[in-house]
Amino acid sequence: DQQVKQNSPSLSVQEGRISILNCDYTNSMFDYFLWYKKYPAEGPTFLISISSIKDKNEDGRFTVFLNKSAKHLSLHIVPSQPGDSAVYFCAAQSNSGGSNYKLTFGKGTLLTVNP
Amino acid sequence: GAGVSQSPRYKVAKRGQDVALRCDPISGHVSLFWYQQALGQGPEFLTYFQNEAQLDKSGLPSDRFFAERPEGSVSTLKIQRTQQEDSAVYLCASSSKRRGSGELFFGEGSRLTVL
Repeated sequence: DQQVKQNSPSLSVQEGRISILNCDYTNSMFDYFLWYKKYPAEGPTFLISISSIKDKNEDGRFTVFLNKSAKHLSLHIVPSQPGDSAVYFCAAQSNSGGSNYKLTFGKGTLLTVNP
Repeated sequence: GAGVSQSPRYKVAKRGQDVALRCDPISGHVSLFWYQQALGQGPEFLTYFQNEAQLDKSGLPSDRFFAERPEGSVSTLKIQRTQQEDSAVYLCASSSKRRGSGELFFGEGSRLTVL
């Protein structure tokens, strides 16, 4: 049972345009969400996060939006650059209860930004 | 080193062999995690250490999997009598935080192939 779902395995975008990566979750106990970026043969690197008390968090070209009622979050990259081409993982965490250190990941979305 | 270091990067084992995977976390990081990433999947939690204490091993798939961090620094993930379904990338991550929300710093992973 996938608690974090990234339904688009891949996304292709033109350089300079907006990339929108989507993520849905089913566990209502999740209250902290993170995006990780992964290049081939490297480990995932942290990109941006958002707490459930917010609906938006922005860091440079990256913005994460959270819609708690829909249990949906999205990562916007504007403008997209070829160096953004990577696999993007959505991850979720519950800070209540005893397992607040555990991340649950989606399967990832491969973003390709074409020059 | 500056980041999380894992070795070996690649390991090929015959079915039934024992393997040991090593993780050197970022110096001073109290929390250490092991995740398993199968092909086409997101990372899945295996186990969590706070210093030398293994606080959660609920994600270990079977009793063939064993992890230790005897001095609160380097950790080893051992897999006994490897099976083909153990083939995956094993990711180690560390954090300066004790439990709680926050980004993890991942190593590049150890890719295990069981023939």
